[in-house]
Amino acid sequence: GAGVSQSPSNKVTEKGKDVELRCDPISGHTALYWYRQSLGQGLEFLIYFQGNSAPDKSGLPSDRFSAERTGGSVSTLTIQRTQQEDSAVYLCASSLAGTDNQPQHFGDGTRLSIL
Amino acid sequence: AQSVAQPEDQVKVAEGNPLTVKCTYSVSGNPYLFWYVQYPNRGLQFLLKYITGDNLVKGSYGFEAEFNKSQTSFHLKKPSALVSDSALYFCAAARQLTFGSGTQLTVLP
Repeated sequence: GAGVSQSPSNKVTEKGKDVELRCDPISGHTALYWYRQSLGQGLEFLIYFQGNSAPDKSGLPSDRFSAERTGGSVSTLTIQRTQQEDSAVYLCASSLAGTDNQPQHFGDGTRLSIL
Repeated sequence: AQSVAQPEDQVKVAEGNPLTVKCTYSVSGNPYLFWYVQYPNRGLQFLLKYITGDNLVKGSYGFEAEFNKSQTSFHLKKPSALVSDSALYFCAAARQLTFGSGTQLTVLP
């Protein structure tokens, strides 16, 4: 079956531009997560969606970052006025339910490079 | 706040030898712990989890992990390493997975 799909796989853009990253979770998974993986560092939680509940945005590093999840499925992470420190791999994950004991299934990520 | 620590950035073992990748955690309440593996330019793959019950958890590809509550540890183990096990390994605590910094495992032929 299809796994978590992320697009684009690579994105290069100039500083100051806006970017949109897309995540298509596994069908039937109600929970969706975004993480950021910077070179030489671990994964940093960004935002979490569970069903129709209000998202947990506690990990977003600044107000330049936002995310939406339409129809409980596809999610878009938007970074406005990009800066060089935004360069990282952005990983999306989904799980069957947003409970603590469910493993998360990850996409292959979007590698974002800000020039 | 919960935290996860992986004290070794790198672990090197010879093929056929046992391997251990260390993880310690700080979590209030009952911990839900996970191990994930990441191959180059790929996302993370789930290996195994501890929720409750047996302290020895068996997972994919022959990996297992031992939960030790008194030492707050959840070390990943494999009796006989393969070259193909070489990858980046992450320990994590649920729910918005708090990750350790990762351990690069290299299995030498």
